[in-house]
Parts: sequence; structure tokens; C-alpha cells
Amino acid sequence: AQTVTQSQPEMSVQEAETVTLSCTYDTSENNYYLFWYKQPPSRQMILVIRQEAYKQQNATENRFSVNFQKAAKSFSLKISDSQLGDTAMYFCAFKAAGNKLTFGGGTRVLVKP
Amino acid sequence: GAVVSQHPSWVICKSGTSVKIECRSLDFQATTMFWYRQFPKQSLMLMATSNEGSKATYEQGVEKDKFLINHASLTLSTLTVTSAHPEDSSFYICSAAAGDTEAFFGQGTRLTVV
Repeated sequence: AQTVTQSQPEMSVQEAETVTLSCTYDTSENNYYLFWYKQPPSRQMILVIRQEAYKQQNATENRFSVNFQKAAKSFSLKISDSQLGDTAMYFCAFKAAGNKLTFGGGTRVLVKP
Repeated sequence: GAVVSQHPSWVICKSGTSVKIECRSLDFQATTMFWYRQFPKQSLMLMATSNEGSKATYEQGVEKDKFLINHASLTLSTLTVTSAHPEDSSFYICSAAAGDTEAFFGQGTRLTVV
């Protein structure tokens, strides 16, 4: 079974600063996908970024980027130029091909003005 | 991105009654839909996976007779909480997938059983 671990329950960052959220996973699969989801106070799950395991290049979406280390089974998320609207819960998720999503425990991010 | 609509957004029901939650994929056909439960300040817990026209696959510990899932079409899945009790109060979220790479989430339903 796959497991996803987010070791940071909560992080705070000053507006305009950078914060990095950690995520590690355990799997014996070789073909899989990794995701970061944002859940703001509205509780709507929003896809932030996606990474295919077969791609070596790290995914980037505007101010969000990942550091994907396949051998280390690590998938961290960097939020640059943090904005107040980034305040939310962030969930790392793993999905093997043809399988279900497995979520980490989440990291609460608070952006301070 | 694709849109998944979940209804209602919140519902209050009396103990012993049943409540139905709908999940619709509005602009794509969902081959698979997932139902999650989320307790406050916790992660999403998968309850069941449903494929159109077949019986849902429930996760270990989830009572299939209590949480009835129907996936009658490629755009609609329903979750019915039968004989609801206060301990069933929670936030329920659905997601829908058209293929194998990504699932799209509904807005969630806050259920309160009084």
C-alpha cells in the first residue's frame, strides 16, 4: 500500500516570502502521479500542481513549483512571493496508474501580512 | 478545468432519517467517482469508489449498508446516508475522474445530524 507523509502540520510565512512544504511517499510502483492540492477555508479542493513520475523536469505553475526527487521519494512544494490568498490547507497526494488517490495528512499554511 | 457540482452544500437532518448527496460532472463523462469524508482539521478519507453501472467498492471499515452509493450514469453519482446519527455528521466530498491522471472535486457537503 502507498503512504504519503507530510511532516509539517503547520507553517507560517510573511507575505511576499517563500515557503516550502515537504512531502514524502512510499511505493513500489514505477508509474505514478503526484499532486499538491489546496483547500482554502471554503473547503473546495483545488489542484495546485501535478507531476508525472516519468518526467524528470520539475513541474511549475506560476508561483508554485515542486522539487521532485524520485529516488528519495520526495515531492516538496515551494510557494514563492506568498500572498494572503495562499492561506489554506495543502495536501500532497499520490496516485498510481489505475488506482485511487492517497492523501497526506496536510499542512496548514498561514500567510501573515 | 472540468467542473464537478455537489449538492447540497449543507444539510441538517434529524436522527434516523436518510439524506442523499448528489455529485455531477457538468462538462465531462466521469468513468469513476470517489466519495470522501473529512473530519475537522484532518485529511480526506476515501469511503468508496464507484464506476458507472457497477457496484461501488468500499474501503475497509465503511458500512456499505449505511452509505449507499449509486452511479447510474456517467455524469451522476449519489451518496445516501441511511438512518443518520449524530456521529455521521461530517464534511463529505466527491470527486470525478474522466481518465487516469486527474480527478476533479465537488464543493463538498456539510452534513449535520441532530
